[in-house]
Amino acid sequence: EDKVVQSPLSLVVHEGDTVTLNCSYEVTNFRSLLWYKQEKKAPTFLFMLTSSGIEKKSGRLSSILDKKELFSILNITATQTGDSAVYLCAAKYNFNKFYFGSGTKLNVKP
Amino acid sequence: DAGVIQSPRHEVTEMGQEVTLRCKPISGHDYLFWYRQTMMRGLELLIYFNNNVPIDDSGMPEDRFSAKMPNASFSTLKIQPSEPRDSAVYFCASTLDGEKLFFGSGTQLSVL
Repeated sequence: EDKVVQSPLSLVVHEGDTVTLNCSYEVTNFRSLLWYKQEKKAPTFLFMLTSSGIEKKSGRLSSILDKKELFSILNITATQTGDSAVYLCAAKYNFNKFYFGSGTKLNVKP
Repeated sequence: DAGVIQSPRHEVTEMGQEVTLRCKPISGHDYLFWYRQTMMRGLELLIYFNNNVPIDDSGMPEDRFSAKMPNASFSTLKIQPSEPRDSAVYFCASTLDGEKLFFGSGTQLSVL
């Protein structure tokens, strides 16, 4: 059965902390792994990863994929209150289907 | 570009009524997806289209749900009759060539 599992389910940190969010996947015909940030309503795109070991970076956020161990991590350094959101990962599989994990709810306190 | 546009933003209806959700994808995108999001089940894929043709509707929960895409710029998701367990946020998303998804703002559906 196809699945995407994220951990932890929720996380509370203080501004300035570094956090690591985890995503493991088991899907048929895996194509890529995507990360999204969901604040109020619509998830917004962060990263798409297709190759193992190549880190993608955008400011304080970075992500990497391990296709052998079937997982990805999203790192956020020097967290800010504006980083508070639900972070979703999704596995693209079977050509063009996207299977989402249940998300990690991050709360950054001042 | 205006992004993916969904309407209505909120819908409150009574059990048994017909509900129609609408979506305008980003111009030029050839894939359109309908997702449902609940606290219990997260984001679930209901159906997706490629070039206006339904490709996979295996996520549609039952016959009460139907979706159409009459042209490249418009899609509907219909629930008839609606039930309280259909209450959720329904998202439409589009993509070009099956790459990253761009989501609309969603429709918050409440069935009383």
